[in-house]
Amino acid sequence: QQPVQSPQAVILREGEDAVINCSSSKALYSVHWYRQKHGEAPVFLMILLKGGEQKGHDKISASFNEKKQQSSLYLTASQLSYSGTYFCGTGRGTTSGTYKYIFGTGTRLKVLA
Amino acid sequence: DVKVTQSSRYLVKRTGEKVFLECVQDMDHENMFWYRQDPGLGLRLIYFSYDVKMKEKGDIPEGYSVSREKKERFSLILESASTNQTSMYLCASRRTSGRIGDTQYFGPGTRLTVL
Repeated sequence: QQPVQSPQAVILREGEDAVINCSSSKALYSVHWYRQKHGEAPVFLMILLKGGEQKGHDKISASFNEKKQQSSLYLTASQLSYSGTYFCGTGRGTTSGTYKYIFGTGTRLKVLA
Repeated sequence: DVKVTQSSRYLVKRTGEKVFLECVQDMDHENMFWYRQDPGLGLRLIYFSYDVKMKEKGDIPEGYSVSREKKERFSLILESASTNQTSMYLCASRRTSGRIGDTQYFGPGTRLTVL
């Protein structure tokens, strides 16, 4: 039920690009991306609500392909500060009428100088 | 800024002990969540609460219970800790607007080791 992320881990040099993929066997109604730096709380990066939507800030952007039930996070010209674990999340309805976020398996990204 | 705090950053307990993990948020959020984080498995939802005294099971509730007596506080209880509950535990909170896009705010986590 959890979205599956790939790759599990990636090592880059500063200035290189990376793509992190998030795939779900169930329909994706929204996709959230979070980053967790070592020893810190996960922090919200962005949300995509509609199929075909693309978003970005700074040199991090994401796309959402609703039909393929997948999302991708693009990190361009990576910086040391991009190091951390990236999670995708998706919303699911609950029996109480609210919704919960189910998160993916995570991708560890390390940027080397 | 939303602040989610967890009572301990590190905790070491013995098998069979009853363990309480506490989480407090200061933004009057209705929804609160407990996740566990394990390498290769990501974040998995244990329980969540959508209002005071209201709770719902997540994906891996076995061996855990929760309590929410006040809006700002959500406790995770391990009735009889076992070694396979050694993990990082993350609390999160979120306001309820009815829209699926609300941001979830996380605490820094509690690393629990059960010996």
